[in-house]
Amino acid sequence: DAGVTQSPTHLIKTRGQHVTLRCSPISGHKSVSWYQQVLGQGPQFIFQYYEKEERGRGNFPDRFSARQFPNYSSELNVNALLLGDSALYLCASSLVVQGAGEQYFGPGTRLTVT
Amino acid sequence: GESVGLHLPTLSVQEGDNSIINCAYSNSASDYFIWYKQESGKGPQFIIDIRSNMDKRQGQRVTVLLNKTVKHLSLQIAATQPGDSAVYFCAENAYSGGGADGLTFGKGTHLIIQP
Repeated sequence: DAGVTQSPTHLIKTRGQHVTLRCSPISGHKSVSWYQQVLGQGPQFIFQYYEKEERGRGNFPDRFSARQFPNYSSELNVNALLLGDSALYLCASSLVVQGAGEQYFGPGTRLTVT
Repeated sequence: GESVGLHLPTLSVQEGDNSIINCAYSNSASDYFIWYKQESGKGPQFIIDIRSNMDKRQGQRVTVLLNKTVKHLSLQIAATQPGDSAVYFCAENAYSGGGADGLTFGKGTHLIIQP
C-alpha cells in the first residue's frame, strides 16, 4: 500500500513568489495535517484538515493557507514567500482527528527561498 | 517556548547496547505521546505511542515509559543496531475533542551507533 505522498520533492522559489505544495494521504485516511520543519528543529504544526474542514491552525501568518479536496488530498499554499519560509514541509495523514490516532508522515517537500 | 523538549541533543551508544532517549513535556493537559524516528532526507517515521492512562508500552525492541508526575517520557531501544541511527523526536498532543492543537515536537535527539 502506498504511504503518504507529497509533491514536488524539491522546490526553489524567489522571495515574494507564491508556492503550492500537494499531499495525498494514505488510502482511507480522512485527516491531513501540515507541518514546517526548519533545519535542526522538530516539525511545527501549521494546519489540520478533517473531512474537508479546517480543524486546527498553528501559529503561522495568514500567508499560509490550505484546503482539502473531496478525495482527501490536500494543498498547502504560501504567498509572498520570505527567506525564512525555507524549510521541509511535511504532510501527515491519520484515520481520525489528530490526537486520537497514529499520524503517518510523507517524505516532505524541501522548499528553498532565495 | 516549546512545551516539549529533549534533554540531550546527541546520544552515542555502542552497537548492541541499549539506548535510552529522554523527553520532558510541560503541558499537563497532554494526553497522547508519540515517538518518531527521522532519517536524513526522510519524513518522521512512527515508532510507538502511549496514552496518558498508561505508564508503559512495549513494541518490537522499543519501550516507551511515561511518568506523568514529573512530566517525563522516555524511549528505550534494546540491542541498538546501525539502522537505529537517526534523529528521534518525542511529540505530544492535548486532544481537546477536535484535535485542533496539532502535535508539538521537541528539537530531537541524534542517536549515533558506534560499531
